[in-house]
Amino acid sequence: KNEVEQSPQNLTAQEGEFITINCSYSVGISALHWLQQHPGGGIVSLFMLSSGKKKHGRLIATINIQEKHSSLHITASHPRDSAVYICAVSRNGGATNKLIFGTGTLLAVQP
Amino acid sequence: KAGVTQTPRYLIKTRGQQVTLSCSPISGHRSVSWYQQTPGQGLQFLFEYFSETQRNKGNFPGRFSGRQFSNSRSEMNVSTLELGDSALYLCASSLKSNNEQFFGPGTRLTVL
Repeated sequence: KNEVEQSPQNLTAQEGEFITINCSYSVGISALHWLQQHPGGGIVSLFMLSSGKKKHGRLIATINIQEKHSSLHITASHPRDSAVYICAVSRNGGATNKLIFGTGTLLAVQP
Repeated sequence: KAGVTQTPRYLIKTRGQQVTLSCSPISGHRSVSWYQQTPGQGLQFLFEYFSETQRNKGNFPGRFSGRQFSNSRSEMNVSTLELGDSALYLCASSLKSNNEQFFGPGTRLTVL
């Protein structure tokens, strides 16, 4: 079983819809990251969080440490949000940038 | 502020050759991490350098090595290339460990 699991693997939405991507992990973590990857490869860091909730524009990320679960929400989705969204964690145990990645969620937002 | 840069962007090599990839972090960032991305295995951590010292290493064979220079620029080397080494190699920099990481555009390596 992967240490970081994401669902769904694929998601198709209509423009304007509210989108939720889920991430569950099985290890102790110091932080959880949400990343976005567009076709062509470039990865952008969306959020790094260790507790609570963060918001940036139309994106919201939440984490529940007790339940080992995080969600990424996109409000008023737009075709430019189409990308792969990747959840990654850095494990407890000292200062490290080593990330363990989920398999990603491929999001397609149709106009 | 300039972002993370990686060179070259694309590379084609044949089996048995070796390759060196370069990463220049964001100015002021002292931590550089390397990742491999393949369709089959997804994203996997290769190694992390901080102030010229390797802090962490992923589960890759010894053919994969790296180093970091005093200006924080980093290189990774893969020797005796295998077909399975074909991948997108990404580097990311951060101010220090356990910080937000900023990714470069990647180097796409094809091994024939």
